[in-house]
Amino acid sequence: EPEVTQTPSHQVTQMGQEVILRCVPISNHLYFYWYRQILGQKVEFLVSFYNNEISEKSEIFDDQFSVERPDGSNFTLKIRSTKLEDSAMYFCASIAGGSSYEQYFGPGTRLTVT
Amino acid sequence: LAKTTQPISMDSYEGQEVNITCSHNNIATNDYITWYQQFPSQGPRFIIQGYKTKVTNEVASLFIPADRKSSTLSLPRVSLSDTAVYYCLVGAFSGGYNKLIFGAGTRLAVHP
Repeated sequence: EPEVTQTPSHQVTQMGQEVILRCVPISNHLYFYWYRQILGQKVEFLVSFYNNEISEKSEIFDDQFSVERPDGSNFTLKIRSTKLEDSAMYFCASIAGGSSYEQYFGPGTRLTVT
Repeated sequence: LAKTTQPISMDSYEGQEVNITCSHNNIATNDYITWYQQFPSQGPRFIIQGYKTKVTNEVASLFIPADRKSSTLSLPRVSLSDTAVYYCLVGAFSGGYNKLIFGAGTRLAVHP
């Protein structure tokens, strides 16, 4: 079964540093998402991406965040200057679009900001 | 997106049937009901989606009464591996682009 992959599985960074989280969505999917989950809290929507541009973003997704689909397979989330409160699990998800309604989530990247 | 209410936690034993009910009084005509499952340190995983009456797949059944103001996810004969958080989501998931708004979910613990 095709799956969404994410790298790295765990990233430790110092406050103020830039991080790039990488995702490879399922190959024929058209819509891409980033979510995050702070430890013990609910999954929160960050941003959706379609046709090489952001479709929607939440209040969390401020100017420190950016997304990119640099080629036909990768989908990245960049945090420009990390803060302690950015520590969380970050999940990438994708959906085929059309009449499909199932979002496929990756295994997540655990980001720890020290 | 319609607000949903579900129990914070439930306990069950192996082999039992588990029913998790979700209330969504403000569900709109175009809204579908979708359930996701999340294991610790993993991404959510789609379980089932329905609009009305009953939907069944290899994993679960979803019961939706005629007024659609609630729904019940039924897990037959649970095992220890069904211990997870279960999320009820309501929205116009008929296709295409759709962000998911997760609530706190129901934490199901299955005991030996």
